Amino acid sequence: GESVGLHLPTLSVQEGDNSIINCAYSNSASDYFIWYKQESGKGPQFIIDIRSNMDKRQGQRVTVLLNKTVKHLSLQIAATQPGDSAVYFCAERSQGAGGTSYGKLTFGQGTILTVHP
Amino acid sequence: NAGVMQNPRHLVRRRGQEARLRCSPMKGHSHVYWYRQLPEEGLKFMVYLQKENIIDESGMPKERFSAEFPKEGPSILRIQQVVRGDSAAYFCASSPPRAPWTEAFFGQGTRLTVV
Repeated sequence: GESVGLHLPTLSVQEGDNSIINCAYSNSASDYFIWYKQESGKGPQFIIDIRSNMDKRQGQRVTVLLNKTVKHLSLQIAATQPGDSAVYFCAERSQGAGGTSYGKLTFGQGTILTVHP
Repeated sequence: NAGVMQNPRHLVRRRGQEARLRCSPMKGHSHVYWYRQLPEEGLKFMVYLQKENIIDESGMPKERFSAEFPKEGPSILRIQQVVRGDSAAYFCASSPPRAPWTEAFFGQGTRLTVV
């Protein structure tokens, strides 16, 4: 069945380092991928997204890479800060009935990122 | 501009009781999604609703769970005869009609504990 999973459940880095969080997905029909940040006791917060017709997208301090050949997604955070400490989830979306797309997402398990000052 | 409002934030129910979780979408948002998150897991899709319509309930358990989004008022996720396995965080997301997912936002969630 469909699944989205992460290779590393925890990641510890020093402040100022770059962080890389990885994600594997299995549904080749997925057309849209999103990274979310979730702080303790809060809801998921959108970080960055990428469509399946792209292989790289950059935001402020974050970059998402998509490798459709091996069904792999990664999130790179530059100059990681203590405020980046959170759980990070990748999520994928497949087209719904009739070719429509909406917010039915499949989330991965999550990676805990801890940034040490 | 208030975000997606969920209440209560925390809810404790005894086994066999009913739980009612409310979600008020952002202003102008007519699409609502409910997700469930078990401890140390990712979110799992439950249901997608538009005003007065259930569009996709493929993630809803067949029994005891129901959802509605009336013309007026918040969306309600109702769990009847709760069991310990229902303990989880329930998140609602809302989005405007005909808008990309980047305009969707999640609420802070309701943490349900069944004792």
